[in-house]
Amino acid sequence: SQQGEEDPQALSIQEGENATMNCSYKTSINNLQWYRQNSGRGLVHLILIRSNEREKHSGRLRVTLDTSKKSSSLLITASRAADTASYFCATVDTGGGNKLTFGTGTQLKVEL
Amino acid sequence: EADIYQTPRYLVIGTGKKITLECSQTMGHDKMYWYQQDPGMELHLIHYSYGVNSTEKGDLSSESTVSRIRTEHFPLTLESARPSHTSQYLCASSPGQGSFYGYTFGSGTRLTVV
Repeated sequence: SQQGEEDPQALSIQEGENATMNCSYKTSINNLQWYRQNSGRGLVHLILIRSNEREKHSGRLRVTLDTSKKSSSLLITASRAADTASYFCATVDTGGGNKLTFGTGTQLKVEL
Repeated sequence: EADIYQTPRYLVIGTGKKITLECSQTMGHDKMYWYQQDPGMELHLIHYSYGVNSTEKGDLSSESTVSRIRTEHFPLTLESARPSHTSQYLCASSPGQGSFYGYTFGSGTRLTVV
C-alpha cells in the first residue's frame, strides 16, 4: 500500500537553482530514505536519515525529517542537468523488518 | 565489482507463456526484494526474502512466484503471462544486519505481454 505522497509531482528549474521536494508518510518509521531513478532504470540510493535525526547532508543534498509532522524534504543545491530524474522517498516502518515502502515520486527536470 | 544483475532487460512475450525473470547479486546480501512499477508510478513490493529458503509475499498481490535456493539468486516466475502483467519489475538487495542500509537495485526488466 502507498505510504505517502510527494510533492510536487513534477518540478522544472534552471541549472544552478535549488530544488526542494517534500514527502509525507503515514506510519511510525525506523528510517526514511531518498532514491533517484533515471528514465525508467533502477533506483539509486541517495541518503538515509534515522527517525532520531533531524537533518543530514551529503554533498549537494540536504535532507530534513520532522517525525511530529510525518514529513521529510530533500534539497538539491546548485542543480545540474544531470540531476534530471525522478526522486522517491521510502520508509522503513518500526516493526516492519527491512521492507521499504515508496512514495509517489517527484519528477525533476533541470534545464540548461 | 559488487552489483545486482537483472536479465533480460526487455521481454515481449505472448499470452499464456511461462517466463522467469532472473536476478543475481554478488554482494552476499541476505535480503532480496522484487518490486513492480508501472510507468511514472510508485514501486510496489510483490515478494521478498530474508535468506535462503525464506520467501514472503509483499504488499501488492501478484500471481508471480519466487524462490531462494542460493543467497545470490532470486528469480521471479510467471506460470502463465497475461497482458495485465505488463510492467517493469525491479529487483533489489540489502545487507542482513538491521534496517539502516539502503537498497541496491538492478536495472529492471521491462515486461510486455501481448
